[in-house]
Amino acid sequence: GENVEQHPSTLSVQEGDSAVIKCTYSDSASNYFPWYKQELGKGPQLIIDIRSNVGEKKDQRIAVTLNKTAKHFSLHITETQPEDSAVYFCAASRAGSARQLTFGSGTQLTVLP
Amino acid sequence: GAGVSQTPSNKVTEKGKYVELRCDPISGHTALYWYRQSLGQGPEFLIYFQGTGAADDSGLPNDRFFAVRPEGSVSTLKIQRTERGDSAVYLCASSFRAGASTGELFFGEGSRLTVL
Repeated sequence: GENVEQHPSTLSVQEGDSAVIKCTYSDSASNYFPWYKQELGKGPQLIIDIRSNVGEKKDQRIAVTLNKTAKHFSLHITETQPEDSAVYFCAASRAGSARQLTFGSGTQLTVLP
Repeated sequence: GAGVSQTPSNKVTEKGKYVELRCDPISGHTALYWYRQSLGQGPEFLIYFQGTGAADDSGLPNDRFFAVRPEGSVSTLKIQRTERGDSAVYLCASSFRAGASTGELFFGEGSRLTVL
């Protein structure tokens, strides 16, 4: 089955700096890669996703890049703000959608004011 | 309601007891998912419903775990003979449909199960 590895497990940045979180996946058939943000006591919330037919997607301060050859994808957050502090999860699915996602182990992002 | 509703939010039980966790999805969402999240880990897929039927239950860890969705809306996750290793947050999610290009999952806040 699919295996998703996520790094780093914790990340601290100064407000206004950029943050990058990286994930690798094992199943070359995976074709859908979402990123979720989870705040304490809440369920994960989708922040951005990418499908295997594109290499990059951007939404305001958030961008995701995908390298299918190397089987890795990354989340980039620019101009970080304290409210960006949360746990971020990457995930992968071969179903072309959010069905049966395999999640990474999460990154605790702390944005220091 | 506005979002996915899960009850109870917290459940403490003793080893060997039976537990039911309920999920009320967003109105109109045909697909419903159960995930389990252990402390410090990402969610782990358990089962997915499309309508009333379990379209994929490959993530259920063993036959002590069972889920139903009799009318295609509310779902109940049932755990028999609970074990300490079952302690986790059980997350429910719903989406408008599965397998479509949109497919965004909306998660509830979870039911935290503690087995003593």
